[in-house]
Amino acid sequence: EAQVTQNPRYLITVTGKKLTVTCSQNMNHEYMSWYRQDPGLGLRQIYYSMNVEVTDKGDVPEGYKVSRKEKRNFPLILESPSPNQTSLYFCASSLSGFGTGVNQPQHFGDGTRLSIL
Amino acid sequence: SQQGEEDPQALSIQEGENATMNCSYKTSINNLQWYRQNSGRGLVHLILIRSNEREKHSGRLRVTLDTSKKSSSLLITASRAADTASYFCATEDRSSNTGKLIFGQGTTLQVKP
Repeated sequence: EAQVTQNPRYLITVTGKKLTVTCSQNMNHEYMSWYRQDPGLGLRQIYYSMNVEVTDKGDVPEGYKVSRKEKRNFPLILESPSPNQTSLYFCASSLSGFGTGVNQPQHFGDGTRLSIL
Repeated sequence: SQQGEEDPQALSIQEGENATMNCSYKTSINNLQWYRQNSGRGLVHLILIRSNEREKHSGRLRVTLDTSKKSSSLLITASRAADTASYFCATEDRSSNTGKLIFGQGTTLQVKP
C-alpha cells in the first residue's frame, strides 16, 4: 500500500531533550516536506526536499533540522525542543514535477502530535 | 497573510444535502488543490485543478476555479455522515517553484445523519 509513515504518532517530552520524528514513503517520490499545524495558524511548511541531498527552508524552519540521505526517508530533528514547538506535525511527499507545470498532489502521513513541556 | 482562505469556517448540514465551500487566494497559481482531514488524521488529497481549467469533477465532488476572481469552490453532492471532516484548499504559488503548498484555515463540515 502506498503510504507516508511517520513515527512516533504521539510524544510528550521535556524542553531541551533532542528528538527525531521519522518519515518514510514507499512511492519513490522525489519531493518531501514537513508541515506543522497549529490552531488559528493552519498548516505551515517547515522544510522541504526536492531530492536526495537537496533540502531547503520553508516558512518556519527555526529550531528544526532535516536530512535527506535516502530518497524514502526525511527525518525531522529538534535539537533542543522548546514549548513553542508543541504542535501537530505532518510529513508529505509527491512525485514532484515542480517547475515543469505538471505538479502532483501531495500525500500526507497521519501526523505526529508533539507536546514539549 | 494566508494565501488560501476558506468560507464558511464551519458548515452543518443534513445527510443528503449538498455542501459548498469557497476558497479565495491572493497570488497567481499553478494549481489549486482540495484536501480533506478527518479528526486526528492526516490530510487526504481530493482533487487538483490546474490554472487553465475552470471545472473538474470527481465522483460526488465538483470543483470550480475562477482565476480572474482568485477563487475556487468545492461542492459535495448528496452528502453522507462520512463526509464529516475539515476541508482545506491549498495553492502553489506560480513564482515559488518550491512545491510549497499554502493552506487556508479550512472549513469544518458536519453532516448529520
